[in-house]
Amino acid sequence: DAGVTQSPTHLIKTRGQQVTLRCSPKSGHDTVSWYQQALGQGPQFIFQYYEEEERQRGNFPDRFSGHQFPNYSSELNVNALLLGDSALYLCASSLRGGSGNTIYFGEGSWLTVV
Amino acid sequence: AQSVSQHNHHVILSEAASLELGCNYSYGGTVNLFWYVQYPGQHLQLLLKYFSGDPLVKGIKGFEAEFIKSKFSFNLRKPSVQWSDTAEYFCAVNSGGGFKTIFGAGTRLFVKA
Repeated sequence: DAGVTQSPTHLIKTRGQQVTLRCSPKSGHDTVSWYQQALGQGPQFIFQYYEEEERQRGNFPDRFSGHQFPNYSSELNVNALLLGDSALYLCASSLRGGSGNTIYFGEGSWLTVV
Repeated sequence: AQSVSQHNHHVILSEAASLELGCNYSYGGTVNLFWYVQYPGQHLQLLLKYFSGDPLVKGIKGFEAEFIKSKFSFNLRKPSVQWSDTAEYFCAVNSGGGFKTIFGAGTRLFVKA
């Protein structure tokens, strides 16, 4: 049973560039959430996707956008990268995204902006 | 707004010592509470969770946590830690009906052999 998989695992981008991160949810899960984890901090909620729509969003600017595909996989896009966007980006999946459902995390994508 | 506070950022213990990590949250309604652990080089894993019922919940590897509603707390405990418990521990809360899970800043535990 495949867990949550993310790609790429590491990447380096230049300020002003754009990046796309990808996530495949755990088998049987239909809801994907994205988190940003800066060094020394806990994961910060970016947004959640369910039925191909953004269902809730955290305090992140519009430069952060996402998409969910019919097979439940998801992408996170960040435009106009800033140095402060350097972080570990975590994808988490759950079933129907209800508050009572446990979320399962992938290993993350390390983004470094130089 | 919801928030989660973890009292200790770094904890150092010797093997066999008892562990208690503090966690307080701010939210007045129904909550679901979690402790996640991140071992070195690994992804976040669920340690235990509380949704309803018995406020003392037991998780994997001998960990337990107690939900005290009046104190808005969900402290993690283990009677006797092992070197393999060295990891970062995150407390998290999800409000009933909400979609996002809020995490604390984490507590780094180092257990000396």
